[in-house]
Amino acid sequence: DIQMTQSPSTLSASVGDRVTITCRASYSIGSWLAWYQQKPGKAPKLLIYKASNIQSGVPSRFRGSGSGTQFTLTISSLQPDDFATYYCQQYNGYWTFGQGTKVEFK
Amino acid sequence: QLQLQESGPGLVKPSETLSLTCTVSGGSMSSSSYYWGWIRQPPGKGLEWIASISDSGSTYYNPSLKSRVTISIDTSKNQFSLKVTSVTAADTAVYYCARPADPNTVTTAFDYWGQGTLVTVSS
Repeated sequence: DIQMTQSPSTLSASVGDRVTITCRASYSIGSWLAWYQQKPGKAPKLLIYKASNIQSGVPSRFRGSGSGTQFTLTISSLQPDDFATYYCQQYNGYWTFGQGTKVEFK
Repeated sequence: QLQLQESGPGLVKPSETLSLTCTVSGGSMSSSSYYWGWIRQPPGKGLEWIASISDSGSTYYNPSLKSRVTISIDTSKNQFSLKVTSVTAADTAVYYCARPADPNTVTTAFDYWGQGTLVTVSS
């Protein structure tokens, strides 16, 4: 099974900060990686697919990068609506999620 | 606009079978071949993919759950379903149904999700 490891688990930040979340795969998944945003009581929302492609309607401040085993989600300037939990997901072999990164208000 | 809606009992007794249905509206399940999926999330924890099924009935299961899980589809009703047998408290979770972004492949993320339904396993 492909394991996905996110870091950090929690991130404290302020509005306007640049935020970076890292996801590592236990072995190479090419670019078959997605990022989701989840708010309390809501379903996950797809932000990024195929490592760096932004989903329609998602603000351009969200950027994904990486390939192989190392991936990054960057929020260039954190907005109030961005405080949420973020998950990476590989889909090279079945579907596996990272454990999540909670972005909280500093 | 495609919509997915989970339905089923909110409370299941230990050792019994959990049964959920996802009803798809705003589009026909048989118009394109997607791998419709179930994902769950225990309270306060992360996401776990459970199983996926195509409109033709091809199935994929999470190896860790495969022995207890059955996914099925009824395209005439625009529904797909999940059964989990011999449930324990560890199966308590919000269960989501979802559709992937791309048809005809399992190499795709999920872009449409239901709102989720909480299933509690308790006597």
